[in-house]
Amino acid sequence: EAGVTQSPTHLIKTRGQQATLRCSPISGHTSVYWYQQALGLGLQFLLWYDEGEERNRGNFPPRFSGRQFPNYSSELNVNALELEDSALYLCASSIDSNYGYTFGSGTRLTVV
Amino acid sequence: AQSVTQLGSHVSVSEGALVLLRCNYSSSVPPYLFWYVQYPNQGLQLLLKYTSAATLVKGINGFEAEFKKSETSFHLTKPSAHMSDAAEYFCAVRVQGANNLFFGTGTRLTVIP
Repeated sequence: EAGVTQSPTHLIKTRGQQATLRCSPISGHTSVYWYQQALGLGLQFLLWYDEGEERNRGNFPPRFSGRQFPNYSSELNVNALELEDSALYLCASSIDSNYGYTFGSGTRLTVV
Repeated sequence: AQSVTQLGSHVSVSEGALVLLRCNYSSSVPPYLFWYVQYPNQGLQLLLKYTSAATLVKGINGFEAEFKKSETSFHLTKPSAHMSDAAEYFCAVRVQGANNLFFGTGTRLTVIP
């Protein structure tokens, strides 16, 4: 069974640009979660998608957005990139969060 | 609101020694609790989970954790540390009504040969 896959592995962008990160969940998982792991800040919850709808978002500005496609894959868009957006972005999927998530290996975003 | 606190951002143990990583939770309802491990430049891997069944939970790689309601704790232990256990460990709680997990700030485990 394929795990959660994220692409690209690394992404370098210039301040002010837009970044698009992609995530494919485990087959059968309908929920996708995005987390930001910035140096020294731990894992911060960004977004939760389920059945194509945004169900919850964390305390991030609107320039962080995303969507979930009919096949349950998801993309995270970050507009007007700032230096502080440099972080590891982790995607996870689940059938039922009571039993935990399965994480992908992440996309390392560097803003210069 | 549910949250977890991990005591100690860094823990060092000798190879073969007991590993004890501390996690305390705050929850007004019976919590769902998790421990994850993160190796360098990788995502997080689920070690074990507590879902209100047995209070002593056994996970992968020889780790286990005990849910203690009276102490609001869910500490992670392993009897004998291996060099391969060196990683960052995160405790997490499911946020009731919101479905996402709230993660602690992590504990970096160093194993000294």
